[in-house]
Amino acid sequence: AQRVTQPEKLLSVFKGAPVELKCNYSYSGSPELFWYVQYSRQRLQLLLRHISRESIKGFTADLNKGETSFHLKKPFAQEEDSAMYYCAPLQGTYKYIFGTGTRLKVLA
Amino acid sequence: DAMVIQNPRYQVTQFGKPVTLSCSQTLNHNVMYWYQQKSSQAPKLLFHYYDKDFNNEADTPDNFQSRRPNTSFCFLDIRSPGLGDAAMYLCATSRSLGAGEQFFGPGTRLTVL
Repeated sequence: AQRVTQPEKLLSVFKGAPVELKCNYSYSGSPELFWYVQYSRQRLQLLLRHISRESIKGFTADLNKGETSFHLKKPFAQEEDSAMYYCAPLQGTYKYIFGTGTRLKVLA
Repeated sequence: DAMVIQNPRYQVTQFGKPVTLSCSQTLNHNVMYWYQQKSSQAPKLLFHYYDKDFNNEADTPDNFQSRRPNTSFCFLDIRSPGLGDAAMYLCATSRSLGAGEQFFGPGTRLTVL
């Protein structure tokens, strides 16, 4: 079965420290990969997508096809990065398979 | 601002009493989706409309139905809510299938008494 694993439910880091949110997927083929974020009292929104190869709010995500991982990284965490992060491979043209999410807390 | 709106934000219903959740969008997107998200779980796609074409996910219970009377509105009907249907229900839109990005509403939290 196709599955997405975000092993950490909660990740706490200090402000200015590097952060890595892990995502592993088990998939056939080469799905398009996304990270979505939900800040407190806000709606779920796109953070970044793999094919764009952009850095959004200082975050990047590296696809490792060999390890089937798509970890989200930021070199220096900020307090405003505290949020819930979901890894979401796209199955086919429209269906996201969301992970269970990692809550990131950036401590002052 | 163009957006996805869900009403109500909180809905309480009784066991077995039909309930309807509403979603509207000002983005003029062709595709509208409904997700169910239970506590500490991932959002799970229930179904989507591509224009007027309805597409049910294979594991969506028959208890859940949807209507899309026009481009802007989409409704989620739960015919006989059970305690296990208590969840956050998220509506989302995308410009087209294959567009990638989906735009989410704030969600409706459903409580079943």
